Amino acid sequence: AQKVTQAQTEISVVEKEDVTLDCVYETRDTTYYLFWYKQPPSGELVFLIRRNSFDEQNEISGRYSWNFQKSTSSFNFTITASQVVDSAVYFCALSEAGGFKTIFGAGTRLFVKA
Amino acid sequence: ETGVTQTPRHLVMGMTNKKSLKCEQHLGHNAMYWYKQSAKKPLELMFVYNFKEQTENNSVPSRFSPECPNSSHLFLHLHTLQPEDSALYLCASSQDSSGRSYEQYFGPGTRLTVT
Repeated sequence: AQKVTQAQTEISVVEKEDVTLDCVYETRDTTYYLFWYKQPPSGELVFLIRRNSFDEQNEISGRYSWNFQKSTSSFNFTITASQVVDSAVYFCALSEAGGFKTIFGAGTRLFVKA
Repeated sequence: ETGVTQTPRHLVMGMTNKKSLKCEQHLGHNAMYWYKQSAKKPLELMFVYNFKEQTENNSVPSRFSPECPNSSHLFLHLHTLQPEDSALYLCASSQDSSGRSYEQYFGPGTRLTVT
């Protein structure tokens, strides 16, 4: 069975600190997809990144970076120099190839204080 | 309108009422989803439609009845709900599968309160 674990329920940092959100997944599939979404207080989930299981290259997008390690079944998300606008709930998700069933983690609520 | 829209944004209904939630996507996608988000549970997939055909029903009680008349519109018909059905209902859309899995684009949700 597929499973996504986000062990950190809440994280609180001060602006400009770096913060890493952890995501550990379980799947028996050899081909799968991983995602990160952001849910600000407005409620609408916003897509951040998609990564397939064959692409282990880390990715950087501005202050955001992602570290995908198949050996540890982890797909961690780092925000560098955090800002108050980064305050949100962040979800890691896992999907099988060719399917529509996406399993979401419980989410990590990030508070960034000014 | 752009993206995914949902109406109404807030809904309060009694347990004997019948109401419907509406979702519309303007992204040219062919897959649409309903999710339930409760305070203390992870995001739960309810239904998936691909090219208007239902492909997933995640053991949802029959008091929730989805309808997908075309690839751009998705409805969730509600009747005789229970207080525990109070939650944020999110609609999403994505490209169809074609052997891959694509990111989903979400609407702002309908906050449902059952009294």
